[in-house]
Amino acid sequence: EDQVTQSPEALRLQEGESSSLNCSYTVSGLRGLFWYRQDPGKGPEFLFTLYSAGEEKEKERLKATLTKKESFLHITAPKPEDSATYLCAPNSNSGYALNFGKGTSLLVTP
Amino acid sequence: SQTIHQWPATLVQPVGSPLSLECTVEGTSNPNLYWYRQAAGRGLQLLFYSVGIGQISSEVPQNLSASRPQDRQFILSSKKLLLSDSGFYLCAWSVQTRTEAFFGQGTRLTVV
Repeated sequence: EDQVTQSPEALRLQEGESSSLNCSYTVSGLRGLFWYRQDPGKGPEFLFTLYSAGEEKEKERLKATLTKKESFLHITAPKPEDSATYLCAPNSNSGYALNFGKGTSLLVTP
Repeated sequence: SQTIHQWPATLVQPVGSPLSLECTVEGTSNPNLYWYRQAAGRGLQLLFYSVGIGQISSEVPQNLSASRPQDRQFILSSKKLLLSDSGFYLCAWSVQTRTEAFFGQGTRLTVV
């Protein structure tokens, strides 16, 4: 059975304090991994797709990386507007839809 | 461009009452459609998915049902709501199975 674990569950950063979020997974036949951002009371917003180990994607202050067993979302010099819950979902050969982790709730304070 | 509409945004319903949530997608044809529920601390739970008109698959046995009467319309229903049906319901679409999904803004359902 596919499993996805995100850590930490919650993270509080000062503005400008860089950090990383982790998404570890056990899936059969990994076909890539998706990252989403979710603001309170809103639907998840698609950020990145990573297709293979070693791949990196960047968007503003966010950079996502992928290995065979985990993915990292690096946040460089975050701003308060980066505060949100970040969700990952590995894409595997099993099932018909994405299996999401529980997310990391990020709070960036001024 | 593709857009997804989901309504209502919030809903308060008494126990035992019926439910109908609607989702429509614009700008694409024959999308895969999904209903997820998100409960606090439990992440996104897939409820139903559909790969075509009239084709519905359920992931979790529950008090809910789904229908797809038109290509880009997906409806989540219940005949009698339970307290445990409270949650944040999200509709999503994708081009193909197991590709990135795009979500609506969600419906916050509170059963009282």
